[in-house]
Amino acid sequence: AQSVTQLDSQVPVFEEAPVELRCNYSSSVSVYLFWYVQYPNQGLQLLLKYLSGSTLVKGINGFEAEFNKSQTSFHLRKPSVHISDTAEYFCAVRSVGSNYQLIWGAGTKLIIKP
Amino acid sequence: GAVVSQHPSWVICKSGTSVKIECRSLDFQATTMFWYRQFPKQSLMLMATSNEGSKATYEQGVEKDKFLINHASLTLSTLTVTSAHPEDSSFYICSAHRQGSSYNEQFFGPGTRLTVL
Repeated sequence: AQSVTQLDSQVPVFEEAPVELRCNYSSSVSVYLFWYVQYPNQGLQLLLKYLSGSTLVKGINGFEAEFNKSQTSFHLRKPSVHISDTAEYFCAVRSVGSNYQLIWGAGTKLIIKP
Repeated sequence: GAVVSQHPSWVICKSGTSVKIECRSLDFQATTMFWYRQFPKQSLMLMATSNEGSKATYEQGVEKDKFLINHASLTLSTLTVTSAHPEDSSFYICSAHRQGSSYNEQFFGPGTRLTVL
């Protein structure tokens, strides 16, 4: 069985400050890892993904994430946030070779303070 | 890009009526689509996996007779909430797996907000 843990339900941060949203997972098999963003009353948009290769993955909107296999983590970072980054962020994993089903974290609400 | 649409984007209905939500892959074929339900301030809950030309696979606890799923073509899946009640009010999101993609990426629709009065 797989699981995804996003320890922080909310992360408040000042505008232009850096932010890290944490994601840890557990799995007995190799996985693909994803971060999605959901703006209020909208669907989900893929921010970035890790499939293989370089452990540092760059995504859209200035976000990046680093896959750490030994710590089973895939934390999302941005060096300087903007008001427009206010949203819910979801981490998800999928087994390599599975039937495409994603296992989701509970989400982290990023709150940008002016 | 790969675009998934949902229709309607929002719907308000009376208790006891049925509501159909459509999920379309606009520029690719999708052999598999997923239906999710999202409660306020919570994560996505997978309801069912819809495979083109076959019966949907429902997750434990999801009533298949209440949430009817039809995946009649490679670009369309529908979710019908039958005899809707206020507790069915939620945000419903579909995703589509693009056939032939290298790592089976899912593309998400914008969601449908259902409010049952």
